[in-house]
This record gives sequence, C-alpha cells and structure tokens, in this order.
Amino acid sequence: EAQVTQNPRYLITVTGKKLTVTCSQNMNHEYMSWYRQDPGLGLRQIYYSMNVEVTDKGDVPEGYKVSRKEKRNFPLILESPSPNQTSLYFCASSLGRPSAKNIQYFGAGTRLSVL
Amino acid sequence: GIQVEQSPPDLILQEGANSTLRCNFSDSVNNLQWFHQNPWGQLINLFYIPSGTKQNGRLSATTVATERYSLLYISSSQTTDSGVYFCAVGRGSTLGRLYFGRGTQLTVWP
Repeated sequence: EAQVTQNPRYLITVTGKKLTVTCSQNMNHEYMSWYRQDPGLGLRQIYYSMNVEVTDKGDVPEGYKVSRKEKRNFPLILESPSPNQTSLYFCASSLGRPSAKNIQYFGAGTRLSVL
Repeated sequence: GIQVEQSPPDLILQEGANSTLRCNFSDSVNNLQWFHQNPWGQLINLFYIPSGTKQNGRLSATTVATERYSLLYISSSQTTDSGVYFCAVGRGSTLGRLYFGRGTQLTVWP
C-alpha cells in the first residue's frame, strides 16, 4: 500500500529538548515536503526536497532543519524547540514537482506540543 | 512570495445545496491545486488545475489564470464533504515551493 508514514503521531516535549519527526514514503518519490498547520493560518511550507541531498527553504524554515540522505526518508529536526513551534505537522511526497501527474500524498500528521 | 486568499472563510450548508469556493492569488502561477482536509485531519488532493476546467463527480474546478483566481464548485453537497478546503499555488521559477491559502471551513448538515 502506497503511504507516507510520520512518527510520532503525538509528541509533548519541553523547550530546548532536541527532537526529530520522521517521515518515510514507500513510493520511490523524488519530491518530499514538510508543512505546519496552525489555526487560522492554513498550511505553511517549512522545507522541501526535490531529490536526495537537495533541500530548499519554504515559508517558515526558522528553527527547523531537514536532511535527505536517502530517497525514502525526510526527517524534520527541531534542535531547540520553542513553544511557538507547537503545531500540527504534515509530511508529503510526490513523484516529482507537484503537478497533474505528480499528486502529493500526505502523512497522517504529527501533533507537537512544546511546553 | 505569492499571496493566496480564500473565501469565504466559513460556509454552512444543508445537505443537497450547491456551493462555490474562491481562491485569489497575487501573481502568475503555473501550479494550482485544491485539497480537502476531512474532519479527522487527513489531506487529500482534489484537483491540479493551473488553468481551465476539470470535473470529478460532484466537484468541479475552474481556474482563470489571466485574472488570478480559481473556483471550486461542490454540487449536491453531502455531509462527507465537510472539512477544510485549501487552495495552493506555485510557479516554475521556484520548483517545489507551494503557497497555501488559509482555507474554507465547510460544514454540511443533514
């Protein structure tokens, strides 16, 4: 079954404690992206990756890091989380740059609370 | 970046009614997508429509790229249509970068 898997689904942490949210896809997709969703703000892109070792900033990259060492995985790293990073996070992937042929598939989301 | 405005922000309908959701964007784009987020948070791609008209069952979408807007039509709405509808745009100069609107929250009552 084609899927994008995020872990963990729920996470409560404290300010300053480094954490990683993993994202893995089993569709051999080249394009992967991270978004955060906040009430009233819609989705905002954090980082995206067009392929292995190729990453670019989205709208709100501050406070986040990503890596793309292999095609299937695209972890989101918060080196020193702060309360303003409390949010719902989504990972997505598509075969190539999102288009008619390259539909984005989304993970189920990770709800993060930073105390 | 590209500004994306969606209207209305909230819409409440009775089952069977029709509705139109609008997405305005501030710059020329060559990528426009509509998504649906169901009440459980799952995001599904509905249409890729940078120009023209497409239909999929009770849903259809039209984008007038020269006037920088897109419309999503939902006919004979059902309770399962409830959720948030997002419009997202991008342009070729920044491959992979997507700009989302704030969404339209649709509630369909039986």
